[in-house]
Amino acid sequence: EIVMTQSPATLSVSPGERATLSCRASQSVSSKLAWYQQKPGQAPRLLIYGASTRATGSPASFSGSGFGTEFTLTISSLQSEDFAVYYCQQYNNWPITFGQGTRLEIK
Amino acid sequence: QVQLVESGGGVVQPGRSLRLSCAASGFTFNSYAMHWVRQAPGKGLEWVAVISYDGNNKDYADSVKGRFTISRDNSMDTLYLQMNSLRTEDTALYYCARCRIAATAYGDFDIWGQGTLVTVSS
Repeated sequence: EIVMTQSPATLSVSPGERATLSCRASQSVSSKLAWYQQKPGQAPRLLIYGASTRATGSPASFSGSGFGTEFTLTISSLQSEDFAVYYCQQYNNWPITFGQGTRLEIK
Repeated sequence: QVQLVESGGGVVQPGRSLRLSCAASGFTFNSYAMHWVRQAPGKGLEWVAVISYDGNNKDYADSVKGRFTISRDNSMDTLYLQMNSLRTEDTALYYCARCRIAATAYGDFDIWGQGTLVTVSS
């Protein structure tokens, strides 16, 4: 099973600033990597797929990069609605696995 | 609009069974693989099971293999998860999710239901 490790566990950032979240895979997942946003009491929402393609409705302030084992989600200018938990997911190998999440909180 | 609505959750004793349902609407259900993903209280996401668009192929996480069965009724646009021999560690919010790319089981999930809560407790 591929283990996905996200860092940091919690990230404190001020509104308007940039946030950078990391996700590392225990072996290569090529570009088969997605990012999700989850707010309290809500289902996850797909933000990025294929490591760098924004999903329908995903704001342009969100961008993804990386290939193989190292991936990054960047939020260019944080808005109040962006404070949430973010998960990465690999779908290159069975079973599908998720990272443990990064909580993005207001500084 | 495109929507998934889960139902069937509840409180059940260890060793008992429960069947979850997920009703789909707003898209061609029989064109998409479907998944179940669960989230224990205060924890992260765990993939549980997948079924191909036609129901012919299924796969499970090791943690549920032999106890859970995924199925679908394309005539009713409904996905199911039969959960037997439930354990306390199966306590979670269970989401159904659509694989974004039609006719493939490998992929990201673009549509999620709101989840149904399963609590396994004596």
